[in-house]
Amino acid sequence: GGIITQTPKFLIGQEGQKLTLKCQQNFNHDTMYWYRQDSGKGLRLIYYSITENDLQKGDLSEGYDASREKKSSFSLTVTSAQKNEMAVFLCASSMPDSNERLFFGHGTKLSVL
Amino acid sequence: QQQVRQSPQSLTVWEGETAILNCSYEDSTFNYFPWYQQFPGEGPALLISISSVSDKKEDGRFTIFFNKREKKLSLHITDSQPGDSATYFCAASGATGGNNKLTFGQGTVLSVIP
Repeated sequence: GGIITQTPKFLIGQEGQKLTLKCQQNFNHDTMYWYRQDSGKGLRLIYYSITENDLQKGDLSEGYDASREKKSSFSLTVTSAQKNEMAVFLCASSMPDSNERLFFGHGTKLSVL
Repeated sequence: QQQVRQSPQSLTVWEGETAILNCSYEDSTFNYFPWYQQFPGEGPALLISISSVSDKKEDGRFTIFFNKREKKLSLHITDSQPGDSATYFCAASGATGGNNKLTFGQGTVLSVIP
């Protein structure tokens, strides 16, 4: 089996700050994803990447950058943290076959003061 | 515009009862419907899924019923256990396929009382 590791587990930032979240997977999966989870709103796709150095925008990409420099890692940057923002950011990976299951990390909980 | 809707937002049942979680969708091109289960402090994990060519999928105590004409599906959890207490997400993807096209509902929080 494999594992997805997200760091940090908790992230506290200041308004306007640039914040980076990291994700590592050892499944050897090609595709990786970043989702945002807000209470009562489900999961919304921010960015995904189908291979190393590939980036694709999801529905919620504005205000975020992403980077896939290695197959095993995918990072997400909040370009300017919004005051009182609070959300959980979930990283996931899958093989590229249609409808292959997603494997999620445990999430990074972001709070902005 | 919420493409995938779930109801109720939260549900409480007694141990041993059947919990029924509902999901509806708008896009008629959706043809794959996974349900993910999420425990507090963890990421979601695939529980069970169904494609639009089937009207029922069963896996142990978990069953999906699918009504293509009404664009509705439901997850039935029979003999509910306290360990089933979690958030359940219905998701859908369409003709273009792939997990990158998955649209998630807002989730149903299930509590099972011993």
